Amino acid sequence: EAGVAQSPRYKIIEKRQSVAFWCNPISGHATLYWYQQILGQGPKLLIQFQNNGVVDDSQLPKDRFSAERLKGVDSTLKIQPAKLEDSAVYLCASSLNPLAGAHIQETQYFGPGTRLLVL
Amino acid sequence: AQTVTQSQPEMSVQEAETVTLSCTYDTSENNYYLFWYKQPPSRQMILVIRQEAYKQQNATENRFSVNFQKAAKSFSLKISDSQLGDTAMYFCAFWGAQKLVFGQGTRLTINP
Repeated sequence: EAGVAQSPRYKIIEKRQSVAFWCNPISGHATLYWYQQILGQGPKLLIQFQNNGVVDDSQLPKDRFSAERLKGVDSTLKIQPAKLEDSAVYLCASSLNPLAGAHIQETQYFGPGTRLLVL
Repeated sequence: AQTVTQSQPEMSVQEAETVTLSCTYDTSENNYYLFWYKQPPSRQMILVIRQEAYKQQNATENRFSVNFQKAAKSFSLKISDSQLGDTAMYFCAFWGAQKLVFGQGTRLTINP
């Protein structure tokens, strides 16, 4: 079974530039997550999709970050314009189908991440 | 809000030794799940072990086991017969209220 795919693996940009990351979840997984992992810290959830709808984007800095999952499969995360503090690893994860409102937890499977450096 | 605390930023042991990583959490939820994830230098986050809060029995996966103390809100990971491939960052994580919250991580080094 193929895992979660992410690209690119590395990206270096100047501040105020824009950047986009791509994620392809495990086939059949309805739920997709984007996390930001700053060096030396644990991952922090940015946004969660259930199919093509947003479940939770409360920690997404919406003035500069955007994400979409138009067909309910792969997803893109965009930063525009980037700031120095956006330097981090961006992790994508997917899970089968945790039911909203129910205390059922499906294991999240993570991709290799995209390391972003903003200069 | 849920919080997860890992008080050991770094640990180092000799190969074949047993090591225990600590984790405490704070929550008002009654139904939740706890996890230990491993993140090697390659960055791929891998699930090590999972514990449902309603289960009293501690989870085990081969050389990995947990000590889950619900009243104390403690969830430690024991690695027996440690191997060089166990070298990685280890993250404790809490799932409750539909959200996965990670601790700061413990960098574990297994020395030959």
